[in-house]
Order: sequence, then structure tokens, then C-alpha cells
Amino acid sequence: DAEITQSPRHKITETGRQVTLACHQTWNHNNMFWYRQDLGHGLRLIHYSYGVQDTNKGEVSDGYSVSRSNTEDLPLTLESAASSQTSVYFCASSFGAKNTEAFFGQGTRLTVV
Amino acid sequence: DQQVKQNSPSLSVQEGRISILNCDYTNSMFDYFLWYKKYPAEGPTFLISISSIKDKNEDGRFTVFLNKSAKHLSLHIVPSQPGDSAVYFCAASAIQTSGSRLTFGEGTQLTVNP
Repeated sequence: DAEITQSPRHKITETGRQVTLACHQTWNHNNMFWYRQDLGHGLRLIHYSYGVQDTNKGEVSDGYSVSRSNTEDLPLTLESAASSQTSVYFCASSFGAKNTEAFFGQGTRLTVV
Repeated sequence: DQQVKQNSPSLSVQEGRISILNCDYTNSMFDYFLWYKKYPAEGPTFLISISSIKDKNEDGRFTVFLNKSAKHLSLHIVPSQPGDSAVYFCAASAIQTSGSRLTFGEGTQLTVNP
């Protein structure tokens, strides 16, 4: 079955370290997204991509970067991890230009100490 | 600014009764609305959606109502079951936004008591 997977599921890192969270989907979806979930804020968009070599900033992009070298993967990099980036991160993908639902991965819980 | 807002952080109902979850939005460009359900330690899963050309969409026990003039939508669950206990997120996408980029509300924790 097609799916979207995130790795690792849990990670603890130190302040200042570079961290990369992986996201892989097998639906051949052109659209991919990264969100973070924090209490009281819901899900906030970090970065998104509408296809290979396309990346765009979301509403909370500072301190994060993404790259899209193929259809299946959109890794999220924290350049220099900060305690404010402790959160649960969700990757999602969707197909089509508009008015379609996005499918989410199971999430990565990141703790920055 | 919070373009999609769920004002109730939590809601508790009895099994068999109706659950009504509410959502307000401010962006007039939103034309597609969705509800997601999220269990602990899992990703959000799509529940039901509605286009701005409709005012109601029904799928089994779940019905979403859209009031465009009030910029308000609601999710009705009838009858509520204990397995419905989860966090529910309202989401919206805009007319000029391709690729279903979604803006989410803060979420409402629904607890259905047996």
C-alpha cells in the first residue's frame, strides 16, 4: 500500500546541532508539506513543495530549510537547533492543484535540550 | 494572525448524544474546508470536507455545515461514540492557493464518555 513515512519517530538533540527529519511518500504526490504541532497553535506550516526543485516558505520557516530532489522525499533540516523548535513535526502530501485533502505521516517528536 | 480559529479547546459529551465542533475563519479567499481527526501519537487523518459552493456535506455520522456569510463552519457527529474521542482540527485552503496548502485551527479535544 502507498504510504507516507517519517523518520525518526523520536529524537533528542542538543542546542546548536544540525538535525534532519526525513519524509518519504510512495503515492507519487507532487505536493509535500511540513507542519509543526504545538499546544494552543494547532498545526503551522513550515515549508512546502509543489514539485521537484520547488520549495516555498510557510508561516514559521525561520531556522528551517527543505530540499526536493525527487518526488518521494522532502527532508526538513534544522540548521542550528533551538529549544523553541522542540515540537512534534508532521509531513504531509497531496495530489492535484487544489481542493484535495492532504495525507499525513505519523509524526516526529523532536526535543532540543 | 490566526486565520482559522477553534475557540473551544475541549468538549465533553455523552455517548449517543450529538457532538458539535465549531470553527471560524477570517480569510474571505478560503473556498475549501476540511476536518481532520487526530489520535495521540498518530498523524491527523482526513475526516470530511466541504466546498464553498455547498452549505452542507454528510458522510455517515459526520456532517459539516458551512455558513459563508458568518465565516463559520461546524462538524456534527451523531451519535457520538467513545472511539470518536480525539483532537479535531478544522482546516481551510484559499482560492488562489494551489496544491491544497492548508491553514489549520488550534484543535478541539473531544471526549465522548460511555
